[in-house]
Amino acid sequence: GAGVSQTPSNKVTEKGKYVELRCDPISGHTALYWYRQSLGQGPEFLIYFQGTGAADDSGLPNDRFFAVRPEGSVSTLKIQRTERGDSAVYLCASSAGGALHFGNGTRLTVT
Amino acid sequence: SQQGEEDPQALSIQEGENATMNCSYKTSINNLQWYRQNSGRGLVHLILIRSNEREKHSGRLRVTLDTSKKSSSLLITASRAADTASYFCATVLFNNNDMRFGAGTRLTVKP
Repeated sequence: GAGVSQTPSNKVTEKGKYVELRCDPISGHTALYWYRQSLGQGPEFLIYFQGTGAADDSGLPNDRFFAVRPEGSVSTLKIQRTERGDSAVYLCASSAGGALHFGNGTRLTVT
Repeated sequence: SQQGEEDPQALSIQEGENATMNCSYKTSINNLQWYRQNSGRGLVHLILIRSNEREKHSGRLRVTLDTSKKSSSLLITASRAADTASYFCATVLFNNNDMRFGAGTRLTVKP
């Protein structure tokens, strides 16, 4: 079946704008994770969903970041008032328990 | 926050040699996983070892876990140029299922 799909693959936006990043997980996977990765660094945990609810959102850096998963499938990561420091690759992964299956990420560039 | 720390940060070897990467972590875990990443995009799961296991094998990969020292190692035997990638360890805690990654080891295998 299809893997984890993330759209868009690349997003360039101006400082101060609002962006939405979408993640379509593997069908049937109840767990969904968002990570942020800067060049040369490991994935930084942002938020983890179990079903529709955020089981752990302790990694969201501030209140400009918000994520939803209303029907327990597709998830959207929302960033308000983007800053240049938000530039990174945003990775989504899903799991049925055990291993994570990653998408190819969205490369966000804030100019 | 990061949980695991990989060592070394970078490793360069000749094709055919073995590569050993280490991971240390801070708190008690349910399981530890190793992932591989090419070109800064999605990570690929390699192997999972549970807290009650000491060693696992998968093809040319051998993983050990020492819970008393809170450390794990990944051994790649008979390395190939195609093994060139970044390798990350990730830990899953007992009290939740969120997964935290280390900063990774950048492995270069020279042909």
